[in-house]
Amino acid sequence: AQSVTQPDARVTVSEGASLQLRCKYSYSGTPYLFWYVQYPRQGLQLLLKYYSGDPVVQGVNGFEAEFIKSNSSFHLRKASVHWSDSAVYFCAVSAASNTNKVVFGTGTRLQVLP
Amino acid sequence: EAAVTQSPRNKVAVTGGKVTLSCNQTNNHNNMYWYRQDTGHGLRLIHYSYGAGSTEKGDIPDGYKASRPSQENFSLILELATPSQTSVYFCASGEPGGNTGQLYFGEGSKLTVL
Repeated sequence: AQSVTQPDARVTVSEGASLQLRCKYSYSGTPYLFWYVQYPRQGLQLLLKYYSGDPVVQGVNGFEAEFIKSNSSFHLRKASVHWSDSAVYFCAVSAASNTNKVVFGTGTRLQVLP
Repeated sequence: EAAVTQSPRNKVAVTGGKVTLSCNQTNNHNNMYWYRQDTGHGLRLIHYSYGAGSTEKGDIPDGYKASRPSQENFSLILELATPSQTSVYFCASGEPGGNTGQLYFGEGSKLTVL
């Protein structure tokens, strides 16, 4: 069965700084990988998705993530964060053999200091 | 934009009581999901469905039942609610496979079991 580990429960950065949120997945086959964001008192919204092809995936609002199969990782990056990026970020995985079951990590709460 | 509507948005129940959380989607998605969100655990999959009449167990199905009477509606049922089921519950719908598939989330239902 697939699983996701997000090792950092909280990350604090200053506005304008670069950002990396870590995600490692566990699945022996071909994964579908997602990053979602949750703003306060809202549901989750998709930031980006890796399905196949170019391992660097571009998402909304300047976010990108890189699929590194050898490391089972799918870290989220942003070159310069804004205070409005403060939110909870979730990494998720589904298996190519059963794309309908989507498993989420524990989330990373990002605080951007002005 | 896909629309997923949950009701009730807030519910207080007593231990041993029956609770039904309802979810409606208007985008004709085959798949629907129920997750719960708890600090330190992220989102955990309770039940999901491939279509009307089908339900599948997720990772934490114990104490929960699900019902999918139609393409649009997916309910989560707690026959005998317990305080450990106090949580925020999210419904989602979508087709997560393929290059552009994703899940669309409702705004959540906060359940408190006293």
